[in-house]
Amino acid sequence: DAMVIQNPRYQVTQFGKPVTLSCSQTLNHNVMYWYQQKSSQAPKLLFHYYDKDFNNEADTPDNFQSRRPNTSFCFLDIRSPGLGDAAMYLCATSTNPRQTGLDIQYFGAGTRLSVL
Amino acid sequence: GNSVTQMEGPVTLSEEAFLTINCTYTATGYPSLFWYVQYPGEGLQLLLKATKADDKGSNKGFEATYRKETTSFHLEKGSVQVSDSAVYFCALSDNYGQNFVFGPGTRLSVLP
Repeated sequence: DAMVIQNPRYQVTQFGKPVTLSCSQTLNHNVMYWYQQKSSQAPKLLFHYYDKDFNNEADTPDNFQSRRPNTSFCFLDIRSPGLGDAAMYLCATSTNPRQTGLDIQYFGAGTRLSVL
Repeated sequence: GNSVTQMEGPVTLSEEAFLTINCTYTATGYPSLFWYVQYPGEGLQLLLKATKADDKGSNKGFEATYRKETTSFHLEKGSVQVSDSAVYFCALSDNYGQNFVFGPGTRLSVLP
């Protein structure tokens, strides 16, 4: 009954080699989020989509991009990974809090990215 | 801006001990408050929530009460188990879901 699915669970890439992480959801939620979580820290929001409306956080590096081709899927692209980008990347979804006034986020299990 | 502060960890307890993890927040308006739990190597799971003052969220023996007068949402459990070992994040969301903020997390270790 997995509702937010992230693939792969573990990803290894080389310094500077582009990498894509994927997220899919079966909840039909309007909103999808990408977070970066480094060891022993809280998740940090990178960006989110309200439907097809992309919202980037002000301090998210240009190296991070995202695509949402349809309601169910969302991708995180790291164009040129650096050693500092090694982290857990978490995808989350929610129903449209602008309408419901309540933002409960449902998380995937995460993808742990290693950069060699 | 909105912010969440949690007690620093790690917190180490013996099985069946009483647990309190403090959480205080700063926000404009009337935010919703959450506790999320993250088990080793996993994503975050919603543990409980409260959407207005004096609401009590509860789940799996955990409880937290939304205290507007003290801007707090402390997590409690009467008798912890080894399986409760995890990192606990307090979080808030403003009325319109445009500002979801996590606290820094508190690591709990429960020893048999």
